[in-house]
Amino acid sequence: DTEVTQTPKHLVMGMTNKKSLKCEQHMGHRAMYWYKQKAKKPPELMFVYSYEKLSINESVPSRFSPECPNSSLLNLHLHALQPEDSALYLCASSPAASGSNYGYTFGSGTRLTVV
Amino acid sequence: TQLLEQSPQFLSIQEGENLTVYCNSSSVFSSLQWYRQEPGEGPVLLVTVVTGGEVKKLKRLTFQFGDARKDSSLHITAAQTGDTGLYLCAGANAGGTSYGKLTFGQGTILTVHP
Repeated sequence: DTEVTQTPKHLVMGMTNKKSLKCEQHMGHRAMYWYKQKAKKPPELMFVYSYEKLSINESVPSRFSPECPNSSLLNLHLHALQPEDSALYLCASSPAASGSNYGYTFGSGTRLTVV
Repeated sequence: TQLLEQSPQFLSIQEGENLTVYCNSSSVFSSLQWYRQEPGEGPVLLVTVVTGGEVKKLKRLTFQFGDARKDSSLHITAAQTGDTGLYLCAGANAGGTSYGKLTFGQGTILTVHP
């Protein structure tokens, strides 16, 4: 298995809703990432998990809450989002957090629309 | 703050033409990665270059890492319509406060017309 699987592919939520994005990989990678991407722009790093511990939080608002239940799963809990949070949310993994010699494997993303 | 300047931002060419995308920085990176992304999908890794001066070939794509590990280029020979997409360069760091981060360039939107 050489994939990162993200669910759901599309999500529409109201500003008072609570929802979760899910990410799964079975490549034995020990680093997992959440990125946010606006149209025709590069991905922006949100969170880095290394060996199931949060190692980097790029000053992301608390309405985004990451969780890493085990080495294969990564969740992003969403609450009270704003319309400007609408974007493609990408999960990625790599063998280790250094990323030095390792490329990242990205999922197909969740297209989030906040109404 | 490390920055990667990628150029050109947009590239529109005819099938069969050659093109080069550049990625430049004043910072040294442990490695440079190139990704291609299609609309509605995640980026797909094309190559990772690690050694200064390294050249890697992937069919019609040639990737080069600068001697000082601050810049990289992607050259496509005889472009095809299937090469259309967003090309992203990304620099990786092995340590320090940037450990675990990729620095992305702004991307190049390539359109190859039949």
